[in-house]
Formats: sequence, C-alpha cells, structure tokens
Amino acid sequence: DQQVKQNSPSLSVQEGRISILNCDYTNSMFDYFLWYKKYPAEGPTFLISISSIKDKNEDGRFTVFLNKSAKHLSLHIVPSQPGDSAVYFCAALLSGGGADGLTFGKGTHLIIQP
Amino acid sequence: EAQVTQNPRYLITVTGKKLTVTCSQNMNHEYMSWYRQDPGLGLRQIYYSMNVEVTDKGDVPEGYKVSRKEKRNFPLILESPSPNQTSLYFCATRAGGLYNEQFFGPGTRLTVL
Repeated sequence: DQQVKQNSPSLSVQEGRISILNCDYTNSMFDYFLWYKKYPAEGPTFLISISSIKDKNEDGRFTVFLNKSAKHLSLHIVPSQPGDSAVYFCAALLSGGGADGLTFGKGTHLIIQP
Repeated sequence: EAQVTQNPRYLITVTGKKLTVTCSQNMNHEYMSWYRQDPGLGLRQIYYSMNVEVTDKGDVPEGYKVSRKEKRNFPLILESPSPNQTSLYFCATRAGGLYNEQFFGPGTRLTVL
C-alpha cells in the first residue's frame, strides 16, 4: 500500500510558465515533507521541505504548499526553466524525525519545453 | 567538500556471485540508508543504520545484508544476487536529530544476469 502517491508520471510545461507537481499521502503520522530533484545518472538532491505546522514554504522560484486536511502537497516552480527538467520525488518523514528514513512517491518526470 | 561516494558505479554480474557495493561519507553523519530505484516504483528503502553497529530493515530487505563497523562506511552486500535485484541503488546519509535532509550518493547501476 503506497503511502506517498504522485499520480502524474510525467508533466510537460512551457518555459516561463508555472509547473505544479502534486503529491498525496495517506499516513497521518507523516509530519515533515520534502521534495527531491533527480537528474539522469545522478543521485536525488534535496530541493525544499515543509513541516506540518506550516502550510507554505518558499525558496526562490520554488514554493511548497501543504494541505493537511486533504493530505495533499504541491510543488510550484515559477517561472519554469529548461534546467528544471528532471524527475521530482515527493518524500515524507514520520513524526519524530523518522530515523528509519524517507518514504518516497514514485516520482514525476517534469519536461520543460522551449 | 561534503560527499557520499559509491563504488562501483556500474556492475554487471551473474546470478549467485556474491558482491559488495561500498558507500562512504565524509560528513560524520549518524544515519545511513540504502535505497533501490525501479521503474514505476520510485525509491524504496532496503536497510538503514542509526549509528555504528546499529542497523535495521527497511521496506525491501530480502536478499541484502549490510554492516556498519565504522561511522563513515555502510556497505551493501548481496550474498547470492538474483535477476530481480537488477536495479539502481542509492546510498544516503543524514545528520542526527530531527528532520535533517538526506544526502544521496551518485548511484550504482547493477545488472544481474
């Protein structure tokens, strides 16, 4: 049973427009969420995170929104740039910090079109 | 420079031939983990370690072993590899305490024939 779901395997967005990547979770014990970005032949790299006590966190062109009641989070990238083309993973940590690691979604492949 | 290194980066082997994938970090992190990435399945945790001599199973531990004799190293051992272990493997580390981000290695592409 998948606890972190990214239902869009791929997303195509025009350069300069907004990219919105979605993530849903089922375990109410998750209280910290992270987005990772992955290029081919490289390991995932941390992008942005949000604690469950917040509903928004912004870092430059990247903003993550959390809707706890809906168990939904989204990553907004604006404006989208060609270098944003990558696979994006949503991940969650259990309450208490999750010594046993992250639970990942399956990823969304974002393609930025010129 | 903070680094997580894995070796080898690519490996083709045959069923049943024992192999070890090494992972080393220079950040003095307490926590280390191994993940595998498969198409359509995302990243799944194999094993993790909270410190030296402390290891535990993740979501998909079958067919794998790990050891943590030193803080910086966390090797992944496949005693008798099988074709279903063909995958992309990532080592990850993070500092102790709550909610610290994980740093991933560059990955090891393993093919078991």
